[in-house]
Parts: sequence; structure tokens; C-alpha cells
Amino acid sequence: ILNVEQSPQSLHVQEGDSTNFTCSFPSSNFYALHWYRWETAKSPEALFVMTLNGDEKKKGRISATLNTKEGYSYLYIKGSQPEDSATYLCATHSGAGSYQLTFGKGTKLSVIP
Amino acid sequence: NAGVTQTPKFQVLKTGQSMTLQCAQDMNHEYMSWYRQDPGMGLRLIHYSVGAGITDQGEVPNGYNVSRSTTEDFPLRLLSAAPSQTSVYFCASSYTSGLQETQYFGPGTRLLVL
Repeated sequence: ILNVEQSPQSLHVQEGDSTNFTCSFPSSNFYALHWYRWETAKSPEALFVMTLNGDEKKKGRISATLNTKEGYSYLYIKGSQPEDSATYLCATHSGAGSYQLTFGKGTKLSVIP
Repeated sequence: NAGVTQTPKFQVLKTGQSMTLQCAQDMNHEYMSWYRQDPGMGLRLIHYSVGAGITDQGEVPNGYNVSRSTTEDFPLRLLSAAPSQTSVYFCASSYTSGLQETQYFGPGTRLLVL
């Protein structure tokens, strides 16, 4: 089982602030890194799937970068809005031949109006 | 498409009772999986299936059985419920078992075992 770490555990920001958080994972046997957004009382929804070192993905005000050599990914939110309040999960696979997706514990973002 | 559906939404069981959590998808997805979500623990994989007739264990399989007789359905069975199985259960599916595939999650089943 992989060790996928996310930091910080929780974060409070003011509306309009930009923010970022980190996902760390073992750099060996890397295949893909997933980011999900999970709103309270709903189910997780996919944001990005990233595979290549140096990958950058963007969806509206949310973007992500990937460094597979050092084993981390950053998620950025520009100009946070109250509707961005959610838990952001990252996940990666357990290695060669594995179909198991291992999730981090998430970063809970609260955007204060 | 209804996507991934789960029933029931809520369930209360007594210790020792059995029950089946239902999961169905109408997207012709090959890969299906079950996770449990506990406070401070994140999502943990219970069982998964890469296609009809094929199942395998995840990180926390003890106390749970699964089967995959059709592409659409992937039920999770608790044979003898224990308080430690109190959790929120999510079913997920993806088009294939490829490592880049996006997982689509169901709405979850909240289970309380007394």
C-alpha cells in the first residue's frame, strides 16, 4: 500500500485569496496522479489525471502541476470563491500491475465570504 | 445515463446481521470498486473488479464479500456486521482498469452498526 500524503490537512482562506496545497507520493513506479474534488454530502468528482513529469493541467481557476521525479503534485486555486469549499483528494496507483487506487486523506478547504 | 447508483442511502444494522449494499452503473464500465470512508482515514479500497467474473481484494477486505456476475452490478456483502464496519461506503467505476481512467463515484451508503 502506497503512502500518499496531503498537506495541509485543512485550510481557511478569505474569498478572493489564491491558495495551493500539496500531494506527496512515492516517485518509484509512478503511473498516474489523480485529483478529485469532494463537496460535503456529495460524492468525489474528478478534476485532473496527470501522468507526465512537468504536466500542468487547468480547469477554470484551478490548476495542478506534477513532479514525478521528486514525487509531488501541487493544486492551485486562483481567486478562491465560497463554492470552492470542499475536500480535495489526490490518489495514485500502487505500482506495476496494480489496479488499486490509493487516496490521500485530503485537504479540506474553507473559503470565507 | 443514471451514472453510478447505490442503494440504500442509509442503513442501521445490529451486530451480527447481514446485508448487501447494491451498486450499479449504466455506462458499460469494466472496472468497479468499493471504498469506505472513515473520519481521518480518507477513502480506503475494499474490493475491486476489472470485469465480469473477476474480483480482487483491496486494502481492507476483511468482513466483506463481492461478486461481479454482470458488467452493470457490483454488490458488497457484509456477512456478519460489526460496529467497526460503521462507515460511509462509496462505489466507483471507470471505463477500463487503465491507470489513467477517471473514477466515477456513486452517492454513497451511510451504514451504522449497533
